[in-house]
Amino acid sequence: QVQLQESGPGLVKPSGTLSLTCTVSGGSISTDNWWSWVRQTPGKGLEWLGQIYHTGSTIIKPSLKSRASILVDKSENQFSLKLNSVTAADTAVYYCVRELGHSGSSLEYWGQGTLITVSS
Amino acid sequence: QSALTQPASVSGSPGQSITISCTGTNNDVGSYILVSWYQQHPGKAPKLIIYEVNKRPSGASTRFSGSKSGNTASLTISGLQAEDEADYYCCSFAGMSIPYVFGTGTKVTVL
Repeated sequence: QVQLQESGPGLVKPSGTLSLTCTVSGGSISTDNWWSWVRQTPGKGLEWLGQIYHTGSTIIKPSLKSRASILVDKSENQFSLKLNSVTAADTAVYYCVRELGHSGSSLEYWGQGTLITVSS
Repeated sequence: QSALTQPASVSGSPGQSITISCTGTNNDVGSYILVSWYQQHPGKAPKLIIYEVNKRPSGASTRFSGSKSGNTASLTISGLQAEDEADYYCCSFAGMSIPYVFGTGTKVTVL
């Protein structure tokens, strides 16, 4: 069964860049699935951030397009999220997720999540 | 794109059935079959329990069932058990640029 594991800095300074990597094991990232990033804050619940296909095609939530990017590294079986100009509002648990299939099909396999705190 | 509306909390006694509603608009729930539901226990990642309105993934309990009417989707939990106490989130496709819009979440309490 496929497993996903997020890794990141834990703490990011305001106005800095949040960088997260998701390592996929138990299967290839080059399957016919999309791969997503989702975050969860106590105040706003679950929020989908963006997704990528192994070809490099991405869809980013419109409100984050100016700050977010998602890349795939097939050689490492990983995909990553970069979020620029972070503020306290970006403090959340970040999850990487494999979708059931096509974009929007559903979020099937989730990583355990990693807490990112934005603070000086 | 606004979040889908769910009741903040629903409760029931063991063995009972409960239903959680998820209200959206013609731009999301009302227009697509891509409605899914997730169960989340405290400190854990969400878990997919229903996809495409009423399909269960492998391993999901048969006590979970989904339906949709107009702009409102529903999740029914039959034969409520203590282990069902968790948060539940609905989610809908809302177009190619926003494939996932989540609900506000519902806390289920088993009395």
